[in-house]
Amino acid sequence: KAGVTQTPRYLIKTRGQQVTLSCSPISGHRSVSWYQQTPGQGLQFLFEYFSETQRNKGNFPGRFSGRQFSNSRSEMNVSTLELGDSALYLCASSLLAGVSGANVLTFGAGSRLTVL
Amino acid sequence: AQSVAQPEDQVNVAEGNPLTVKCTYSVSGNPYLFWYVQYPNRGLQFLLKYITGDNLVKGSYGFEAEFNKSQTSFHLKKPSALVSDSALYFCAVRDNNNNDMRFGAGTRLTVKP
Repeated sequence: KAGVTQTPRYLIKTRGQQVTLSCSPISGHRSVSWYQQTPGQGLQFLFEYFSETQRNKGNFPGRFSGRQFSNSRSEMNVSTLELGDSALYLCASSLLAGVSGANVLTFGAGSRLTVL
Repeated sequence: AQSVAQPEDQVNVAEGNPLTVKCTYSVSGNPYLFWYVQYPNRGLQFLLKYITGDNLVKGSYGFEAEFNKSQTSFHLKKPSALVSDSALYFCAVRDNNNNDMRFGAGTRLTVKP
């Protein structure tokens, strides 16, 4: 079955612009989590969605937002881009969310954002 | 909130030697612990997890990890390293209160022939 699909894979933006990233989870998975990966900070948790509801949110400014649709696909948006937003943005899906902490996350290949 | 520490940025081993990648965690309640591996230009791939039961967990590609509650550690091990094991390894923890999964900063493993 198809894995987690993230689009676009690569994008370049300039400071002040906004960007929307998309994530299609594995069929049947209802939970989607987003992470920001940078060389110095590792993986930082952004947010987690389940059944169109945000369940958890990381420590990021309000410029970072997300949503989940009824088909479990998710988008994240970053407004007023800053140079420090350059990163690999990873999406992960799992069958359930938090009902069992043992749920394994399946990751997409990521969207690499470069802000100039 | 839960957190993970991977004290080594880089681990170098020779092919055929045993390898250990260290991880310690902090969580309230019982932890769910995971190891993931990332190859260049790829997302993270699941290796193994500890939920409960036997402290020694076996996973993919010959990797195993030992849960030590008193030391709050979950070190990743492999008896004989391969050059193809060279990658970035992440330890992660999730508590049993429906909180999100938190990752360590990652350890880059290099296995030299």
